[in-house]
Amino acid sequence: LAKTTQPISMDSYEGQEVNITCSHNNIATNDYITWYQQFPSQGPRFIIQGYKTKVTNEVASLFIPADRKSSTLSLPRVSLSDTAVYYCLAGDDKIIFGKGTRLHILP
Amino acid sequence: EPEVTQTPSHQVTQMGQEVILHCVPISNHLYFYWYRQILGQKVEFLVSFYNNEISEKSEIFDDQFSVERPDGSNFTLKIRSTKLEDSAMYFCASSDPADPKVYQPQHFGDGTRLSIL
Repeated sequence: LAKTTQPISMDSYEGQEVNITCSHNNIATNDYITWYQQFPSQGPRFIIQGYKTKVTNEVASLFIPADRKSSTLSLPRVSLSDTAVYYCLAGDDKIIFGKGTRLHILP
Repeated sequence: EPEVTQTPSHQVTQMGQEVILHCVPISNHLYFYWYRQILGQKVEFLVSFYNNEISEKSEIFDDQFSVERPDGSNFTLKIRSTKLEDSAMYFCASSDPADPKVYQPQHFGDGTRLSIL
C-alpha cells in the first residue's frame, strides 16, 4: 500500500476545471490508483480508478504518467456541488484513507 | 444503481451498553468492510470480511468489536460495552470480486452516526 500525498485544500470557482495532483512515489506494480469523493455526513463515493495513462468517465478524468509516481484527478467545469473532500489512494486491496484534499468551490 | 444501505442513520447509546450496526451490502458483492470516522478526522479501516470470516482487521478492531453475516443479505458490526471514544460515523462498504486480477473499488453506505452518552 503506497503512501500518498495530496494538497490539504484547494479553492476554485464555478465553471473552472480543477486538477488535484497526488504523489505516490512508492507505488507497487500491482497497485491501482483510485479516487474517492466525500460530502459531509456521507460515505466516500468512488469517482475513478486507473492503472496507467488516462482514464475518463462521466464525472472526471485521471491522468497517470508513465512512471506512475503521481496522478492527477481532473474535474471539468466544477459546480458548487463539487465542494467535498477528495481522497487519492494507491493500493490493491485495503483502503487506507489519508486526510484528502478539501476542495471548496466558490460562486 | 444498487447501493449499500445502513441502519439506523443515528444511534444514541449509553456508555457500557452494547450496540449493533446494520448494513445491507450490494447483493452480488462478496467482500465486506467496516470503517469509522471520528468527527473531523480521517476515515479509518476497521475490518474486512470474506467467505464468512475476517480477512483483515486493524488495531482498532479489538475484542470489543465483532462482525457477523447472519444471513445472505445483512452484515453487522457489534460493539460491546461501548465507550465515549466509540462515538463516530461508522461506514459499511462492499466490493465485487468479478475479476480478482483487477482491484475493485469499494462502495460505501452513508453511515451510522453513533453517539455514546
